[in-house]
Amino acid sequence: DTEVTQTPKHLVMGMTNKKSLKCEQHMGHRAMYWYKQKAKKPPELMFVYSYEKLSINESVPSRFSPECPNSSLLNLHLHALQPEDSALYLCASSQEPSYSNQPQHFGDGTRLSIL
Amino acid sequence: GQQLNQSPQSMFIQEGEDVSMNCTSSSIFNTWLWYKQDPGEGPVLLIALYKAGELTSNGRLTAQFGITRKDSFLNISASIPSDVGIYFCAGLPYFTASKLTFGTGTRLQVTL
Repeated sequence: DTEVTQTPKHLVMGMTNKKSLKCEQHMGHRAMYWYKQKAKKPPELMFVYSYEKLSINESVPSRFSPECPNSSLLNLHLHALQPEDSALYLCASSQEPSYSNQPQHFGDGTRLSIL
Repeated sequence: GQQLNQSPQSMFIQEGEDVSMNCTSSSIFNTWLWYKQDPGEGPVLLIALYKAGELTSNGRLTAQFGITRKDSFLNISASIPSDVGIYFCAGLPYFTASKLTFGTGTRLQVTL
């Protein structure tokens, strides 16, 4: 069982809807990440939070809005998405963001479909 | 973004056979990671490598951190049907902490 929990597992939404993806970890990790993964492709980094502050935004469109309420939780707010945004959205966490050798641990993702 | 060159792209092998896959980069990495992803699930960390030349095992899996710091190898011995999935290598660079670079993936299929 993964130690990074993502909800919901599946989400279908229309282009005018507003929804949120949630991620939780209780490993005491201080870095959390959002990735987007298309079928048969590797995950692509979207956002990095380090000590609850946004440290990296990989030029993600503003219709994706991340939020880190505390060190265990990470949200991704979705609004006015496009069909090409349909993908698997993965959350990950790692122990110590200031060092470049900490492996990231992934959740099972949210499968998002935009109608 | 940058992706690592991973080969082979896919493999179709018989149960009991050994499997080898590798990952190469034009850049130096501080850490090499190997993940496995099953359908409908997230990547699961298999092995982490921290030093050039390091050879690390996890059950039937063995991975090596290349001497040049630009490559890594994963071997699976005596494959079984549950080894089916996509294997990704990933590298962490020295100076851009947190920006994991993934390989293109190796899809492994095992027949009885």
